[in-house]
Parts: sequence; structure tokens; C-alpha cells
Amino acid sequence: AQSVTQPDIHITVSEGASLELRCNYSYGATPYLFWYVQSPGQGLQLLLKYFSGDTLVQGIKGFEAEFKRSQSSFNLRKPSVHWSDAAEYFCAVGPWNSGNTPLVFGKGTRLSVIA
Amino acid sequence: GAVVSQHPSRVICKSGTSVKIECRSLDFQATTMFWYRQFPKQSLMLMATSNEGSKATYEQGVEKDKFLINHASLTLSTLTVTSAHPEDSSFYICSAPDGGYNEQFFGPGTRLTVL
Repeated sequence: AQSVTQPDIHITVSEGASLELRCNYSYGATPYLFWYVQSPGQGLQLLLKYFSGDTLVQGIKGFEAEFKRSQSSFNLRKPSVHWSDAAEYFCAVGPWNSGNTPLVFGKGTRLSVIA
Repeated sequence: GAVVSQHPSRVICKSGTSVKIECRSLDFQATTMFWYRQFPKQSLMLMATSNEGSKATYEQGVEKDKFLINHASLTLSTLTVTSAHPEDSSFYICSAPDGGYNEQFFGPGTRLTVL
């Protein structure tokens, strides 16, 4: 079965500190992995995606993620968190030809940033 | 990148009435669109797959007679919540795959509140 696990429901970090959000997936085919961010009451914004090639992918807003096939993980990182990064983060997986197949989302991790 | 719009962004209705939500792909054609529902502080759950020219495919547990989907053209899918009840209050998000980008693009979402 296809599934995405985000083990951390809520994370609080200090502004300027580093961040890592965990994501593990279970997928029967070659996965196409995504991280989205959602601010309260807003839609989804794509941070980054991985399909193939370099396992360390760079995204917008200074985020990066590393694909580790052996661990079935795709963790999101940021070296220095800003207060504006406070939001809900979703990891998602789809097939490599994600066109006509919906994505499977994790339950999300809520990030709080304190001064 | 491709753009998907949703209308309305917010709607408040009385219990028992019907509400129509539109999802449009603005600069590309989409033979398939997906409708998701997101309850507060929860993840996105796929409700149904909208197919241009054929019937929608509903996920288990989603009432097809309550959530009517019409994929009227290659750029428009509509979701009608019939006889809405307070428990239908949720955030509804659509997505459309753009084969040229090999990914899906999400609309900004529609907040439905049923009084």
C-alpha cells in the first residue's frame, strides 16, 4: 500500500536554528516525492520535488531535501529558520508519471517558530 | 508553471442548500482533475477523480450522490455539495496534472462553512 508517514505532528524551533522535518514513504513503484507548505487558510505551495538524479534537491525559500532510498526517506531541511516559515508542511508521494494519479499525502507537520 | 484557480475562495451556506465549487486550469488542458478535502488540522484526503468526458471516480466512503462532479471541459471541473450539512464544512482543494511538467498543480482551495 502507498503511504507517507510524517512522524512529527508539531515541531517548535527557535528563529535562526536549523530545521529537519521527517518523511518516510512506502511506495511500490519508482516514487516521485514532494514537499508542500501550507499557511493557515491557504492552499498548497510546492517547496521542492524529487524524481531522479542528485538525491539532494534544492527548493524555494532556502529549503532542501535529501532522498535516501535505503531508508525510504525524504527529509526536509533548512539551515536557518525564519519566523515566516511557521506553517504546515506536507510530504507527498506519487508515481514517476504523476500526471493522472493523485498524490498520497502525509498527515503534515506543524512548524512553530519562537523568538 | 501552470496555474489552477478555484471559485469561490470562501462560501457560507445554510444547511440543506447546495454549493458549487469550480476548478479551472488557466493555461493548460487537463483531462483529469482531483478533488481533495481537508478538515481542520488534518491532511488532504482524496475524494474523487474527475474525468473529462466520463464519470468521476469516487474514493471509498465518499457519497457520489452528495458530491456531484462534472468535468465540463478540458479546463473546468465542478464539485457540487448537495444538501450540505455542517459536517460538510471543510477546505476543498482541487489539483490538475500538467503532463508537460510531469507534476500536479493545486488550486488555492475553497473554504466551505455550512451553518
